[in-house]
Formats: sequence, C-alpha cells, structure tokens
Amino acid sequence: QVQLQESGPGLVKPSETLSLTCSVSGGSISSYYWSWIRQPPGRGLEWIGYIYHSGTTNYNPSLRSRVSISVDTSKNQFSLRLSSVTAADTAVYYCARHKGPPPFDYWGQGALVTVSS
Amino acid sequence: QSALTQPPSASGSPGQSVTISCTGTSSDVGGYYYVSWYQQHPGKAPKLMIYEVSKRPSGVPDRFSGSKSGNTASLTVSGLQAEDEADYYCSSYAGNNHFVVFGGGTKLTVL
Repeated sequence: QVQLQESGPGLVKPSETLSLTCSVSGGSISSYYWSWIRQPPGRGLEWIGYIYHSGTTNYNPSLRSRVSISVDTSKNQFSLRLSSVTAADTAVYYCARHKGPPPFDYWGQGALVTVSS
Repeated sequence: QSALTQPPSASGSPGQSVTISCTGTSSDVGGYYYVSWYQQHPGKAPKLMIYEVSKRPSGVPDRFSGSKSGNTASLTVSGLQAEDEADYYCSSYAGNNHFVVFGGGTKLTVL
C-alpha cells in the first residue's frame, strides 16, 4: 500500500520560503506524477504544481513565479519550495500521486503551515 | 472564487438519494472526461470516490455514482448513510497549462 507523508516546519515568517518534503513508501516514485495541493483553513483545494519522476515540472500559473518542486528518486522523496510567503499562503499542504491527468489516487495526511511573524 | 461551481450545501435523510452538481466550462468539465470527485471528512485528507466522470476506485461503494452532461458533472449518493456526511469536491483536468481545477466544495449533511 502506497503511503505519502509530508514533513517540514509548521511555522514560516512572512517573506521567507516555505519548504516541505513528501516521503513515499510502499512503492517507487518512478513512473508516476507527484503533486502538491493546498487547502487554506475552511476553504477549498488548490493545485500548486507537479513533478514527474524524470524531473519535468508544471506549476499553477498563479503561483509559478514563487514555486519550485524537485525530486530525489534515491530517497523516494519530492519537495516543495514556495518563496516570499504571506498570510494568504497559510494552509494545509498535501502531497498526492497521479498517473497523468487527474485523479489523485493517493494523498498524504497533510501538513499545516502557518505564515506568521 | 473557485474555478468550478458547486452548491455550498446538500442534505438528505438516511436511505434517500442526493445529487451534487459541479459546473465548469468547455475548457475543463465540458472538454475532458477527467472529472473526479473527492470525499473529505473533517481533519482528514481527501479520498478519491469517482474518477473519469463515472468510474469507482476499488473499495468505494456502488452507492456513489457520477455523470456528466455538457459543462456540468454530477455526483449522486444513493441510500444515504451517516458516514456519508462529509465535504465533497469535484475536480476537472483543464489542459496542460492550468492542469486541474477544483470546485469550492459541498457540505453533505445526513439528516
């Protein structure tokens, strides 16, 4: 059974960079796409971007200037960096797996990141 | 404002059926058969319930069904049970640039 687990700081200061890592277990990171999706408190879901195991990326146009996603196949992990954060970036951040176009079939449990000084 | 429009709430009594709509455009729902539905209980991650408009992943009860007509997709939950009470989100592939868009979510209450 594939499992995903997000990890990283739960508190980030405004204007700094948010960094999260998703560790994949129970299966290989190869041959799949891996996305980051976020959900502000009490609100809906927003796709942030994806990376293919080969390193190909695609980002939400509204976040493209601030987002970077990378993959480490040797560790079966992929990571998110979101720069110049503001309070509007406060959300639960999920990592998820897909085979191409959605659906997202496996999700991590989510990591709450709060942007505050 | 979400890209796909869902009613904020829906409700039904145990055993009844309820249908949740999801309206998009020809650039997303109307243009592709990659419409998915997710169930989310409070404090939990979303769970895939329907994919490619009407397909159910293994383990999802056949009480859940999906359909699409034009730019509007629908999720129907038949024989409502207490554990069906949750938030439901639709999503659609939207081409390589925007990739995927989500609805704002519908809170389903089992009366």
